[in-house]
Amino acid sequence: GQQLNQSPQSMFIQEGEDVSMNCTSSSIFNTWLWYKQDPGEGPVLLIALYKAGELTSNGRLTAQFGITRKDSFLNISASIPSDVGIYFCAGFNQAGTALIFGKGTTLSVSS
Amino acid sequence: GAVVSQHPSWVICKSGTSVKIECRSLDFQATTMFWYRQFPKQSLMLMATSNEGSKATYEQGVEKDKFLINHASLTLSTLTVTSAHPEDSSFYICSARQGASDNEQFFGPGTRLTVL
Repeated sequence: GQQLNQSPQSMFIQEGEDVSMNCTSSSIFNTWLWYKQDPGEGPVLLIALYKAGELTSNGRLTAQFGITRKDSFLNISASIPSDVGIYFCAGFNQAGTALIFGKGTTLSVSS
Repeated sequence: GAVVSQHPSWVICKSGTSVKIECRSLDFQATTMFWYRQFPKQSLMLMATSNEGSKATYEQGVEKDKFLINHASLTLSTLTVTSAHPEDSSFYICSARQGASDNEQFFGPGTRLTVL
């Protein structure tokens, strides 16, 4: 079935550093979504990508939809302590009815 | 933005009892609601998709008789974990989609279930 492979699994960075994480799949996805989940909370949508090659920013966050439609990356610039959390990539299943999530990247930021 | 609530936010129950979790879309009508389960330090796994007024569609490996889903109105879906066992302890998260062609799902804050 469709799977999303996210890397790295976890990251430990200093406040102010830039961060990059990515998501790959052997299947083509028509939409890539990036979510952030805080402990004990539901995921919150950060960025949605709908076209191959699309580069979209949301404040300090930038995400790109790969040309092959099989990958996406998320960059966070000038990280701050509240960036701590788990970042998930997600895409719709082949039927377009439900989301498939990657395993997540856990980000820790030390001040 | 669209808000989805869940109730209760956490619940502890004895093994063998049933637990009902509610998911509500507060400021929009949700034609479709989704139920996910998340074990500690793992990703969200889709359990079932429910459309208002029809039977839920369960993912492979999810027992429909154990996880009863009711989507009786456009703003409410319920998940009942029947005869809960310790291995059912997990974080249950719902999401709601406004229209059939909408790509965006709005997630609830989750319900932490602990079965003793």
